[in-house]
Amino acid sequence: GDSVTQMEGPVTLSEEAFLTINCTYTATGYPSLFWYVQYPGEGLQLLLKATKADDKGSNKGFEATYRKETTSFHLEKGSVQVSDSAVYFCALSNAGGTSYGKLTFGQGTILTVHP
Amino acid sequence: DADVTQTPRNRITKTGKRIMLECSQTKGHDRMYWYRQDPGLGLRLIYYSFDVKDINKGEISDGYSVSRQAQAKFSLSLESAIPNQTALYFCATSEAGTSGIYEQFFGPGTRLTVL
Repeated sequence: GDSVTQMEGPVTLSEEAFLTINCTYTATGYPSLFWYVQYPGEGLQLLLKATKADDKGSNKGFEATYRKETTSFHLEKGSVQVSDSAVYFCALSNAGGTSYGKLTFGQGTILTVHP
Repeated sequence: DADVTQTPRNRITKTGKRIMLECSQTKGHDRMYWYRQDPGLGLRLIYYSFDVKDINKGEISDGYSVSRQAQAKFSLSLESAIPNQTALYFCATSEAGTSGIYEQFFGPGTRLTVL
C-alpha cells in the first residue's frame, strides 16, 4: 500500500539557519503530495501541496518540489524563525491507490528553532 | 468561529468507561475523518465517512465505533476505554471529488487520557 517516510527527528536549529526535512513516498500512480504543520496545542493545517511531477509548492517561505524520479517531496526553508517551531507532516493522497480519498501521513518531524 | 470543532478538548476517564468524542463542521464538506496521533507514529486513520450513509474502517478501527448523524456531525465512540487509547484525537473534513487533491481541514483535537 501507499506509505510516507520522513527523516528522523527532532531537528534543532538556530534562527536564520537553512532547513531541510526529507520526505519520500511509495505509491502507485500519481499521488498528490502535501506538507502539513502542527503548531503547539493546535490541529494540523496545510502548509503547501503539489499535485503533479515537478510542481513546486510554496508558502510562508517554505518550498517543496514533487520529484517523481526520486519519489521525494523534501521541505526546505532558507532562513527559519523561532515561530517555525512546530511538528511537520508529509502526506499523500492517491486517487488510484490505497489512499483514495484519504491522507497517508509520515510520522512527523519536530522542529525547534532557538533564537 | 472555527470551521471544524471538537468536543471535549480534554477528557480524563477510567478503564472500561464508554466515551464519545464529537466533531462538527461548518465547511459543508461531505467527507469526514477521525485520526489518532501518538508520538513518533504520525496520524493514523480510525474511521472515515464519504457521506452520511457511508462509513469505512481505517487502519486502526478496533475498539472504536462511529456515527455520522448528519453531514455536519461525526462522532467517535470508545465502547470500553483502555489505557492504550490514551492519545490526541483529530477530526478532519474534505470536499468530495475525483481529482486526487484531497486537502483536509482539521479540528483542534481532543486529548484523551484513560487511567
